[in-house]
Amino acid sequence: GAVVSQHPSRVICKSGTSVKIECRSLDFQATTMFWYRQFPKQSLMLMATSNEGSKATYEQGVEKDKFLINHASLTLSTLTVTSAHPEDSSFYICSARAIDSSGEKLFFGSGTQLSVL
Amino acid sequence: KQEVTQIPAALSVPEGENLVLNCSFTDSAIYNLQWFRQDPGKGLTSLLLIQSSQREQTSGRLNASLDKSSGRSTLYIAASQPGDSATYLCATRRQAGTALIFGKGTTLSVSS
Repeated sequence: GAVVSQHPSRVICKSGTSVKIECRSLDFQATTMFWYRQFPKQSLMLMATSNEGSKATYEQGVEKDKFLINHASLTLSTLTVTSAHPEDSSFYICSARAIDSSGEKLFFGSGTQLSVL
Repeated sequence: KQEVTQIPAALSVPEGENLVLNCSFTDSAIYNLQWFRQDPGKGLTSLLLIQSSQREQTSGRLNASLDKSSGRSTLYIAASQPGDSATYLCATRRQAGTALIFGKGTTLSVSS
């Protein structure tokens, strides 16, 4: 089946630094990728929709200048948390859209646990 | 805007019990509905996907039903095992190409 690779799986950083999270579709082309954030015991909240070659669409309340999303190729999307602060500590997970002869499906990365000290 | 609610938030059962997890959604115009399993600190494992035209899907000890008109889905787990302990998430999509909208999940604990 389709595989989405997300790295790193865990990152600890100091407040004020930037962190980049990568999401790669390994055996299919993903024209669309979705980025989610999950706080402890909460639901996965959609942050943004990323389409290859165009600007990401952010959900209401998500700061686009703080969460920079780049989808420069059909197999790679990155989320950069700029000037991270402790309140940005969360579980971030990506989802890639795959289209084949059987239709369309979404596949998820394994997630990134970000801890900002 | 679609809202997905899952009840109960947490559930503890002894091994061997059959159980039902509930999911409701406010907008019945969905493309499909999916159930996932999430282990602590881990990503998502897709369990069952029900297209809007379907009523149910089965995989092993799991059975998911969908009633679009009432905005409800249930996940039935038969003969529960300690290895079933995890958080179960329900999610829907409005149409192809859009993101999944998730409920908060039901955290299941099965004791041996």
